[in-house]
Amino acid sequence: ETGVTQSPTHLIKTRGQQVTLRCSSQSGHNTVSWYQQALGQGPQFIFQYYREEENGRGNFPPRFSGLQFPNYSSELNVNALELDDSALYLCASSLAPGQIYGYTFGSGTRLTVV
Amino acid sequence: AQTVTQSQPEMSVQEAETVTLSCTYDTSESDYYLFWYKQPPSRQMILVIRQEAYKQQNATENRFSVNFQKAAKSFSLKISDSQLGDAAMYFCAYRSRGAQKLVFGQGTRLTINP
Repeated sequence: ETGVTQSPTHLIKTRGQQVTLRCSSQSGHNTVSWYQQALGQGPQFIFQYYREEENGRGNFPPRFSGLQFPNYSSELNVNALELDDSALYLCASSLAPGQIYGYTFGSGTRLTVV
Repeated sequence: AQTVTQSQPEMSVQEAETVTLSCTYDTSESDYYLFWYKQPPSRQMILVIRQEAYKQQNATENRFSVNFQKAAKSFSLKISDSQLGDAAMYFCAYRSRGAQKLVFGQGTRLTINP
């Protein structure tokens, strides 16, 4: 059974650019949630995807968007990057939207915006 | 909105000793879950222990136990017989029943001294 995998592990972007981060959910999991973890802070919920639809969103602007594919993998897209977008981006997969058991995190993508 | 507060940015303990990490939360709900997660340098969030709010009995997992005080909205983590591998960031988190998101505290960095 594979866990949650995220790619890339690190990347550096310039302010104003666009970035796409990828997440492969754990086998059998149909729900993916994304979190932003700024340096020295706890993760903050960005949004959740279930059956290819956004299923809840945190307090993030529309330039943060996502996709979920039929195989349940997911992408996080951020447009018009700002310096404050520099953070660790974590995804977590689960068996169902409200499921608390088996909620599994990946190791994240470290994004640096310069 | 729910909030989670960890008032100890850093803690240290001697190997084999016991340490307690503090967490308080604010909510108007009665049905929820509380979690402690460990985040080692590998960055992956690893579930340490989980408590259902409707259960009065404190959860235990081997060397890890919690002191859940629902009326005081307090949820502390006790680590017994501390080991070098316990060194990490520890995050307290809250989740309403059926909700999509986890709400995290700011984290406590735990150092184990040999």
